[in-house]
Amino acid sequence: DQQVKQNSPSLSVQEGRISILNCDYTNSMFDYFLWYKKYPAEGPTFLISISSIKDKNEDGRFTVFLNKSAKHLSLHIVPSQPGDSAVYFCATHPNTGFQKLVFGTGTRLLVSP
Amino acid sequence: EAQVTQNPRYLITVTGKKLTVTCSQNMNHEYMSWYRQDPGLGLRQIYYSMNVEVTDKGDVPEGYKVSRKEKRNFPLILESPSPNQTSLYFCASSLGWGGRWADTQYFGPGTRLTVL
Repeated sequence: DQQVKQNSPSLSVQEGRISILNCDYTNSMFDYFLWYKKYPAEGPTFLISISSIKDKNEDGRFTVFLNKSAKHLSLHIVPSQPGDSAVYFCATHPNTGFQKLVFGTGTRLLVSP
Repeated sequence: EAQVTQNPRYLITVTGKKLTVTCSQNMNHEYMSWYRQDPGLGLRQIYYSMNVEVTDKGDVPEGYKVSRKEKRNFPLILESPSPNQTSLYFCASSLGWGGRWADTQYFGPGTRLTVL
């Protein structure tokens, strides 16, 4: 039972354009969401997060949007750079414990020059 | 340098042969956790620990054991590995386990395990 879903396994964009990565979740009680980025042969690294009291959080080229009514969040990268090519995971704390973390299946982003 | 180290990085073993993957962090973090990554399934949490001698199950704990005898170390033990435990394993640590703990979660480089 996937509590957090990333329906696009891969995404290709050109350098300088916008990348939009999407994530859907199943439980309206989830109230904190994160995005991690993972390069090959490395562990994931934290990218950006958002609390349900907000609908947007921005950090440089990265913006996360939260649509609570649709149970949907998205990560926007503007402008996209080749170094952004990686796998992106969304994550949240499940109802079974705040100390736990559940992840989506990931979206592989390829930014071409 | 702040880091989470895992050993070994690569391991090929056979069904039933007990193994331990070590994890160590040098940041004096309270929270540590193990995850596995599988194609099409993303990352799934196996076990986590909020402090020394305090451990709890994640989503996929079956077939695994952990211990937290020292703050810096959090080994993952497979008493009788099976082929379905072939996976990429990540250890992680975070300063605490309250508030925005997952924002400060550091991951190790991963251990690729193959069970034949």
